[in-house]
Amino acid sequence: EAQVTQNPRYLITVTGKKLTVTCSQNMNHEYMSWYRQDPGLGLRQIYYSMNVEVTDKGDVPEGYKVSRKEKRNFPLILESPSPNQTSLYFCASSSRTARSTDTQYFGPGTRLTVL
Amino acid sequence: AQSVTQLDSQVPVFEEAPVELRCNYSSSVSVYLFWYVQYPNQGLQLLLKYLSGSTLVKGINGFEAEFNKSQTSFHLRKPSVHISDTAEYFCAVILNTGFQKLVFGTGTRLLVSP
Repeated sequence: EAQVTQNPRYLITVTGKKLTVTCSQNMNHEYMSWYRQDPGLGLRQIYYSMNVEVTDKGDVPEGYKVSRKEKRNFPLILESPSPNQTSLYFCASSSRTARSTDTQYFGPGTRLTVL
Repeated sequence: AQSVTQLDSQVPVFEEAPVELRCNYSSSVSVYLFWYVQYPNQGLQLLLKYLSGSTLVKGINGFEAEFNKSQTSFHLRKPSVHISDTAEYFCAVILNTGFQKLVFGTGTRLLVSP
């Protein structure tokens, strides 16, 4: 089954404790992206990757890091989480990079709470 | 810069009633338009998209949307809703220039009651 998986689905942590949210897709997609969803703000892009070893900042990259060492995986790293990073996070992927009108497939989401 | 406006944060309707969820965009260049749906505790899935051609686009679950270039709108409609349509709906746009990034609206929560 074609899918995007994220782990963990729920995470409660404390300020400053490094964490990683994993994202994996099994569709051989080149393009992957991370979004955060906050009430009243919709989805905002954090980082995206057009292919292996190619990543770039989205609209709200501060406080986040990503890496793309393999095509299928795109982890989101919070080196020193803060309470304002409490949010619902989604990973997405799609097949093309230059013209991303192809459907983006979304993971089930990771609800992060930073105390 | 492109932006997407969803005018209603919440739309309550009764089952079997028609519904329209509004979406307007601002852009000086041509765009591609999308509607995504997010059911409770799930990720987003594509309802429909407009790339070119006919301005009336039909999607899954009986939804349709009409692209109106003069009014820069892409409203989503369904003639008769079901309880199971209760979800959050996001309008999104991609500019037709260079590398295209998906920009989302703030979402509209559709609440269908019996």
